[in-house]
Parts: sequence; C-alpha cells; structure tokens
Amino acid sequence: DAGVIQSPRHEVTEMGQEVTLRCKPISGHDYLFWYRQTMMRGLELLIYFNNNVPIDDSGMPEDRFSAKMPNASFSTLKIQPSEPRDSAVYFCASSPSAHSQGVYGYTFGSGTRLTVV
Amino acid sequence: SQKIEQNSEALNIQEGKTATLTCNYTNYSPAYLQWYRQDPGRGPVFLLLIRENEKEKRKERLKVTFDTTLKQSLFHITASQPADSATYLCALPTGYSSASKIIFGSGTRLSIRP
Repeated sequence: DAGVIQSPRHEVTEMGQEVTLRCKPISGHDYLFWYRQTMMRGLELLIYFNNNVPIDDSGMPEDRFSAKMPNASFSTLKIQPSEPRDSAVYFCASSPSAHSQGVYGYTFGSGTRLTVV
Repeated sequence: SQKIEQNSEALNIQEGKTATLTCNYTNYSPAYLQWYRQDPGRGPVFLLLIRENEKEKRKERLKVTFDTTLKQSLFHITASQPADSATYLCALPTGYSSASKIIFGSGTRLSIRP
C-alpha cells in the first residue's frame, strides 16, 4: 500500500478563493481524520469520519470549512472563502477499526502546505 | 478538557547518550498513550503505544513509561544517534473508549549532535 496520499503538496491561493484539499486513505482503514498544524496551535483535529460518516466536526473552525467523504477511498476538505489565517499544513490520517486503533496508531499523509496571501 | 504538556524547548543531546522526553497530561488518565515522530515536511509517524496497566514498554532503543499517579509518560532513546533528530509528539485519546479521537501535544524537538 502506498500509504495515505494527499494532494496537492503545496497550495498558494489568494484570499477569498476556494481551496480543496484531497486525501486517499489506506485501503481497509475505517477511520479518516483531518488535522491542521501550525506553530502556534500545534496539531489540531478538525473532523473525523468512521465508515465515510462524519462523527465529530467540533474542531472545524467555522462555516467556511467543510469536509466530505463520498466513498471509502476519498475525502476532501474545502475552505471557501479562504483567509490568510487559514495558512497551515493540513494533514489527513487514517486508522483501522476502533479496537485496533490504539495498537497501530494513525497513519498520516505527507500533508498539504496551504498559503493564503 | 484533557490537555497535554510537552517541553516546548528543544533538547540537545550528545550522540550516544540517552535522550529523555516528558509528556504530562492534566485530566483523567487515558486507556493508552502514544508516541509519534515527525520529521520536517512530513506527517507524524506512529512509534509505540503504552496502556494504562503497563508501567514500561520497549521497542529496540526506545523505552516508554507511563505513571498514572504522576499523569506523566517518559520517552527514552538510548544510544542516541544523529538520525534520531526529529520532533517527538505525545498523543492520547480524549475519552476512555478506544474509539475516542486522539489529541496531540505540541511536541519536543530533539537534536542529537555528533
């Protein structure tokens, strides 16, 4: 397996534009997580899915952020409109079913570095 | 809510020495605690997990302890090497269930000098 795949690796966009980040989890993993990492706030959980269903989106900053998981092999995180304070590295991670999550941990992608100017 | 505290200052260690990193949490003791390694420009990589009923866990040159009385985990790298230089993150579930979401500490940057 190629691991968790995220695209793009880097994104530079102008304030007000729509940004879509993409993630392909590891096949067979039931859980998918979107995190955001900044120097100030560290790694923050935005939202997670179980079997394609959003379970907890309490970390989503505001209505400008939305996430979808239309099938087991694809998820998107969309920011519309984007603002400079959204600049961060966005990570997608996946993990096996709940009973083995603690054993195997999360597998992270390489992240998307978003810069909003 | 649960909070994780890791030393934000970088730790500089001479090659060959043992590096010890600390993770403290503030609220209830979780069912388990995890440690991850993160290199610049990469996502965190899972290293190992220790359960609340385990005092110590080892994996090659890594050793983790878990003290629920002190609400603390220590992460040791013995015979440290320059390749061990990275940021190390502590993580634990927000609830007692193994299905609870995991939150991360801010990490401690470790530098091993030759």
